[in-house]
Amino acid sequence: DIQLTQSPSFLSASVGDRVTITCRASQGINNYLAWYQQKPGEAPKLLIYTASILQSGVPSRFSGSGSGTEFTLTISSLQPEDFATYYCRQRISYPITFGQGTRLEIK
Amino acid sequence: EVQVVESGGHLVQPGGSLRISCAASGITFSDHYMDWVRQAPGKGLEWVGRIGKRSSSFATQYAASVKGRFTILRDDSKNSLYLQMNSLNTEDTAVYFCTRVSNYWDNDYWGQGTPVTVSS
Repeated sequence: DIQLTQSPSFLSASVGDRVTITCRASQGINNYLAWYQQKPGEAPKLLIYTASILQSGVPSRFSGSGSGTEFTLTISSLQPEDFATYYCRQRISYPITFGQGTRLEIK
Repeated sequence: EVQVVESGGHLVQPGGSLRISCAASGITFSDHYMDWVRQAPGKGLEWVGRIGKRSSSFATQYAASVKGRFTILRDDSKNSLYLQMNSLNTEDTAVYFCTRVSNYWDNDYWGQGTPVTVSS
């Protein structure tokens, strides 16, 4: 199985900050990586697919990059509604796997 | 408007069985693969399994943790997805999400989840 390791697991930041979350895969996954945002009590929401393509309706302050084994999600200027947990997910092979999550909290 | 609604989750004893359902509207259900994803209390997301569409003979894939115990079914005439869960154990306690697989193989529409608790 392909393991995805996110760093950091916890991040404290302020409104207006630029933040970056990293996802490392245990083997190459080309660009078959997506990022999801989840708020407490809600379903996950797709933010970015194929490593860097912004899902329709997602604000442009979100961006993704990477290929192979290392990927990043960047939020250019944090807004109050961005405080949530973020997950990466690979789809190159079964079983589909998620990272352990990065919890982003208000400083 | 796209709607995905799960139902049927409740308290089950260890060793028991349960079938949960998912009803989708506002999408061409039969054109898409569908996934189940679960989330144990306070934990991260875990992919449970996938069912293909008719053109793939409704092929299924499962996580190792549920293979042989869980079965994913679909009824395209009812725009519905099902998860039959047998031999349940406490580690299956989770909120179960039904989610559509998009044309680029990611999960773009999700239901709100249905909670399953396995406890004596």
